Amino acid sequence: GAGVSQSPRYKVAKRGQDVALRCDPISGHVSLFWYQQALGQGPEFLTYFQNEAQLDKSGLPSDRFFAERPEGSVSTLKIQRTQQEDSAVYLCASSLDGNNQPQHFGDGTRLSIL
Amino acid sequence: RKEVEQDPGPFNVPEGATVAFNCTYSNSASQSFFWYRQDCRKEPKLLMSVYSSGNEDGRFTAQLNRASQYISLLIRDSKLSDSATYLCVVNKVGYKLSFGAGTTVTVRA
Repeated sequence: GAGVSQSPRYKVAKRGQDVALRCDPISGHVSLFWYQQALGQGPEFLTYFQNEAQLDKSGLPSDRFFAERPEGSVSTLKIQRTQQEDSAVYLCASSLDGNNQPQHFGDGTRLSIL
Repeated sequence: RKEVEQDPGPFNVPEGATVAFNCTYSNSASQSFFWYRQDCRKEPKLLMSVYSSGNEDGRFTAQLNRASQYISLLIRDSKLSDSATYLCVVNKVGYKLSFGAGTTVTVRA
């Protein structure tokens, strides 16, 4: 499809496990973003890539969170030693150019930590 | 104080009614403004950008008041399919978007 694709759609993990969430942005989109959305809240910014460069990771809640986009296309968000408070929807978005452009979101990955 | 604040609602309106709601933002240097729509358990989708002069897209009208730092959205002739959460989004610097928690609108038959 032409939109942002995320996988898996749902992920259940036990506390302490590592998880990896994948994002396929819209083809040709330079900028890629990860957000975390808790129930009843708006998405909160986690990190931003321009091509393969991670220009901003100020929103990552701890050093257990790591994101990469090695070839400037697909991105992976990894969470190590998951904790219950990591349970949320993780949204990926892309835009043609990061600055002042609308961002287009994927369906998200709903992560539940037991 | 949150960067973007919205009345959570819910706004319950009958079909055909007009509904309007605002959001306020704290950073006067904010550059771009958007309304996104989010259905239950779905991703946010861009509804419309908000321009300084105000803009309309069909039944939807958005206004920006920079002096008072608020953005509004008005929905005319509301349809059942307009039921959703509307997220106010502010871009303060380049790429970084700040989202409100959303205003829930329910249109009843």
